[in-house]
Amino acid sequence: DAGVIQSPRHEVTEMGQEVTLRCKPISGHDYLFWYRQTMMRGLELLIYFNNNVPIDDSGMPEDRFSAKMPNASFSTLKIQPSEPRDSAVYFCASKTIAERAFFGQGTRLTVV
Amino acid sequence: GDSVTQMEGPVTLSEEAFLTINCTYTATGYPSLFWYVQYPGEGLQLLLKATKADDKGSNKGFEATYRKETTSFHLEKGSVQVSDSAVYFCALSDPGGYNKLIFGAGTRLAVHP
Repeated sequence: DAGVIQSPRHEVTEMGQEVTLRCKPISGHDYLFWYRQTMMRGLELLIYFNNNVPIDDSGMPEDRFSAKMPNASFSTLKIQPSEPRDSAVYFCASKTIAERAFFGQGTRLTVV
Repeated sequence: GDSVTQMEGPVTLSEEAFLTINCTYTATGYPSLFWYVQYPGEGLQLLLKATKADDKGSNKGFEATYRKETTSFHLEKGSVQVSDSAVYFCALSDPGGYNKLIFGAGTRLAVHP
């Protein structure tokens, strides 16, 4: 397996634009997590899914953020409209119930 | 709610020095505990884990013991190397919390020759 795959690796966008981040978890993993990493706040859990169902989205900062998992092999995190304070590295991770989480390499988002 | 607290960094050490990074947790159930490491420009990688009280996780010379009585999982290494320079994250996964994976703020370690 190629591991957790995130795309794009880097994204630069203008304020007000819609941004979509993508994640392909490891096959067979039934938990998927979205994290945001910044210098100020460290690693924040935004939302996580179990069997494609959102379990806890209490970490999603605002209504501008939304996440979906239409099937077991794909998830998206969307920001609409984007703002400069959304600039961060966004990580996706997947796991099974008893095992460690595997992280993707992250998407570095810059909103100018 | 569940949370993880770890010592603030940066921690700066000379090569071959002893390392301790403190981590304490709060959880409603009986969590599994983890240490992850992040090298510059990369995602997080599991360093070690422990799934029940008194378990000791170990890997690459790093160790941590699950202490239920003190709700702690401190990371130690007897002799650090320059290549250990990274950010270290303590984390818990609480089965009572639907396996939510919660991380501490991270501790940056810088090891100098």
